[in-house]
Amino acid sequence: DVKVTQSSRYLVKRTGEKVFLECVQDMDHENMFWYRQDPGLGLRLIYFSYDVKMKEKGDIPEGYSVSREKKERFSLILESASTNQTSMYLCASSLRGEAFFGQGTRLTVV
Amino acid sequence: QKEVEQNSGPLSVPEGAIASLNCTYSDRGSQSFFWYRQYSGKSPELIMFIYSNGDKEDGRFTAQLNKASQYVSLLIRDSQPSDSATYLCAVMASGGSYIPTFGRGTSLIVHP
Repeated sequence: DVKVTQSSRYLVKRTGEKVFLECVQDMDHENMFWYRQDPGLGLRLIYFSYDVKMKEKGDIPEGYSVSREKKERFSLILESASTNQTSMYLCASSLRGEAFFGQGTRLTVV
Repeated sequence: QKEVEQNSGPLSVPEGAIASLNCTYSDRGSQSFFWYRQYSGKSPELIMFIYSNGDKEDGRFTAQLNKASQYVSLLIRDSQPSDSATYLCAVMASGGSYIPTFGRGTSLIVHP
């Protein structure tokens, strides 16, 4: 069975903290994604990776960076968390388009 | 800018009825089309994909694609209260970039 696992289900961080969100997939997929989902705004792509150490900016990369040192792991980093980054963060992986999502991390920045 | 449009709803249907969810897209180069279901507080899960014009059936679900009209739809027959969720349409262009563009979703309520 397909499995995408995010490290935390809920997270509360303080403004200015550096935050790491981890995602691991066990399907040997090349493509991995980080989205954030906010009410009324849908899924917005933050970053995309199509191979180890390869990354591309999505629609809203400002304030975020990513790391993909191993094929199965894709990390999202909030360099200095701000309250407007309070959101649901979703990681996904795919081979040729069908995306499989992790359970999501609800991040609150206070 | 590639766009995928969905009516946000909510679409309310009685139990046992057919629910019809619609999606239009702007990029004529789109080749792959996906429907996801998202329960409240959960992550999206893939329920259907379609690549060719016409209908594709899977149990109570039918996806319909019309590339000329840039239109894709999802029909849910014999709707159940457990089908109540938000349904996301996603579209992907050809050319090796496997990045889907998502619509904002349609909320479906199936009432007993």
